[in-house]
Amino acid sequence: QSVLTQPPSVSGAPGQRVTISCTGSSSNIGASYDVHWYQQLPGTAPKFLISSNNNRPPGVPDRFSGSKSGTSGSLAITGLQAEDEADYYCQSYDNSLGDWVFGGGTKLTVL
Amino acid sequence: QVQLVESGGGVVQPGRSLRLSCEASGFIFRSYTMNWVRHGPGKGLEWVALISFDGSTKFYAGSVKGRFTISRDNSRNTLFLQMNSLGLEDTAVYYCTRVSGYFNPMDVWGIGTTVTVSS
Repeated sequence: QSVLTQPPSVSGAPGQRVTISCTGSSSNIGASYDVHWYQQLPGTAPKFLISSNNNRPPGVPDRFSGSKSGTSGSLAITGLQAEDEADYYCQSYDNSLGDWVFGGGTKLTVL
Repeated sequence: QVQLVESGGGVVQPGRSLRLSCEASGFIFRSYTMNWVRHGPGKGLEWVALISFDGSTKFYAGSVKGRFTISRDNSRNTLFLQMNSLGLEDTAVYYCTRVSGYFNPMDVWGIGTTVTVSS
């Protein structure tokens, strides 16, 4: 069981908006540590996508946005495209464990 | 371009050791904190270990503490992970990642190297 909880799967049709939640606790997201999101396309290594403060690397479209509230973070994808089909992982730091922690991952299916 | 390339993976018997390497290029390696992250079959990503830019500070996940050692050679732009007493649960793809600060995102990932622990 992961310290950060994500839904195992989400889906949406092209053009739609989907959100992926990342639920933590008072020792990680609730302790004001940022939530970072990574995208893993099939057969490739994960890559940094966006943070909860909406910091994103060059090349990541603004269809992707990150946010955080209380003990949860969220990744929103608007204008869903077939190329967005991938696994998405959230990550933060837990000051009780002293560990950098990941969510279990969410598989996004574009219908 | 900025790149991380891992090597050293393979098939190893339980209880044996393995040493992974990660060669960095395209950026000033000695300025960055580095991590090892693994992805086991059917599992999510798991942070393994972190080392500060100068190698003076190291942190380990509880699952590997006492068995794995992270180190770096800034003169060779290379990160290492010495893995001892390997168990079946250590089977995974191992990635090295770069961070600009402990709580910043892992903004560069390597291509990964596969470790299979099997009798």
